[in-house]
Amino acid sequence: GAGVSQTPSNKVTEKGKYVELRCDPISGHTALYWYRQSLGQGPEFLIYFQGTGAADDSGLPNDRFFAVRPEGSVSTLKIQRTERGDSAVYLCASGGTSSSEQFFGPGTRLTVL
Amino acid sequence: DQQVKQNSPSLSVQEGRISILNCDYTNSMFDYFLWYKKYPAEGPTFLISISSIKDKNEDGRFTVFLNKSAKHLSLHIVPSQPGDSAVYFCAANPQGAQKLVFGQGTRLTINP
Repeated sequence: GAGVSQTPSNKVTEKGKYVELRCDPISGHTALYWYRQSLGQGPEFLIYFQGTGAADDSGLPNDRFFAVRPEGSVSTLKIQRTERGDSAVYLCASGGTSSSEQFFGPGTRLTVL
Repeated sequence: DQQVKQNSPSLSVQEGRISILNCDYTNSMFDYFLWYKKYPAEGPTFLISISSIKDKNEDGRFTVFLNKSAKHLSLHIVPSQPGDSAVYFCAANPQGAQKLVFGQGTRLTINP
């Protein structure tokens, strides 16, 4: 079956612009996670959805970052007033009831010029 | 503060030999530990996990060892194969949380 998909695969934007990153989870997965991976680092947790609600958003770095999952399936990560330090690969994962069942997408590489 | 640490950024092993990847952690309140493997331009792929109440878990060529007193875990791959060349991430699941805390990764290269 289809895995987690993320679009776009690459996004280049200018400092100060707004971007949206999309995640399509594996069908039927109720849990959805966003992580951010900077160069030379491991993925860093941003936010976790169970169904439509954000159950844990403790990893969002500031109020420029926001994520939604209105119908409990597709999720969008939104970044306002982008800064050069936001450049990273943004990974989405979906899963079942156990944290060991996190299936990752290929990521979106965001570059802020 | 880095709660999960992989102190070796890279490791090179000859094909057929054992690869040992190490990971240290500072927080005792982790439920599960996991290893993920990542190829370029792909997302991390789950490899193997171990509960904090166990000290060993084996799956084919892969074995994970957990030493709670030392707050250390390791992944053993034997025999190593060229397809094992990838970046390996150690991750931990905090108690009561549905998230993973990752180490920085170790790039494993298997030489023919």
